[in-house]
Amino acid sequence: GAVVSQHPSRVICKSGTSVKIECRSLDFQATTMFWYRQFPKQSLMLMATSNEGSKATYEQGVEKDKFLINHASLTLSTLTVTSAHPEDSSFYICSAPMGTNTEAFFGQGTRLTVV
Amino acid sequence: AQTVTQSQPEMSVQEAETVTLSCTYDTSENNYYLFWYKQPPSRQMILVIRQEAYKQQNATENRFSVNFQKAAKSFSLKISDSQLGDTAMYFCAFMKLPYNNNDMRFGAGTRLTVKP
Repeated sequence: GAVVSQHPSRVICKSGTSVKIECRSLDFQATTMFWYRQFPKQSLMLMATSNEGSKATYEQGVEKDKFLINHASLTLSTLTVTSAHPEDSSFYICSAPMGTNTEAFFGQGTRLTVV
Repeated sequence: AQTVTQSQPEMSVQEAETVTLSCTYDTSENNYYLFWYKQPPSRQMILVIRQEAYKQQNATENRFSVNFQKAAKSFSLKISDSQLGDTAMYFCAFMKLPYNNNDMRFGAGTRLTVKP
């Protein structure tokens, strides 16, 4: 079946540094990928839609300058958390649809801890 | 905007028993999918079952079945013969079609515990 790989699975970084999270579709092309954030014991909240070859679309309240998204190819989207602060600590999950009428395939998620 | 509501934050069931998780949604769309996802402690999202809105027949996947009431905008999940491995967070999700242009919206989740 279709697989979406997310890397790294865990990362700890210092306040003020930047962290890059990768989301790859391994056996299909994804012109669109979605980035979610999940706080402990809460649901997935959409942060942004990553579009190959164009700018990402951010949800209201999400700082586009803090959460940089680049969809450089049909199989790779990256989320960079810039100048990270402890409040950015969270679980980040990406997803990608294989076609126009199918369910999402999710990455394994990344647990970010900013110290 | 679409909203998904799961009114049961936590549920528990004895092993081998049946449990039903509730989900309601609000939309003006006519063409959409509904999903139940399972998120175990590993936090990997696992698709449990999918329902196309245009299909009247309720979807089933082995021990998992749904009761889809389109007019009432209700989409409950029934787990039969509950197993310890069913313990997880369960999220109801709505997806407007075509998916490439629309994201998936999730309910708040229901934490299910299967007791031995």
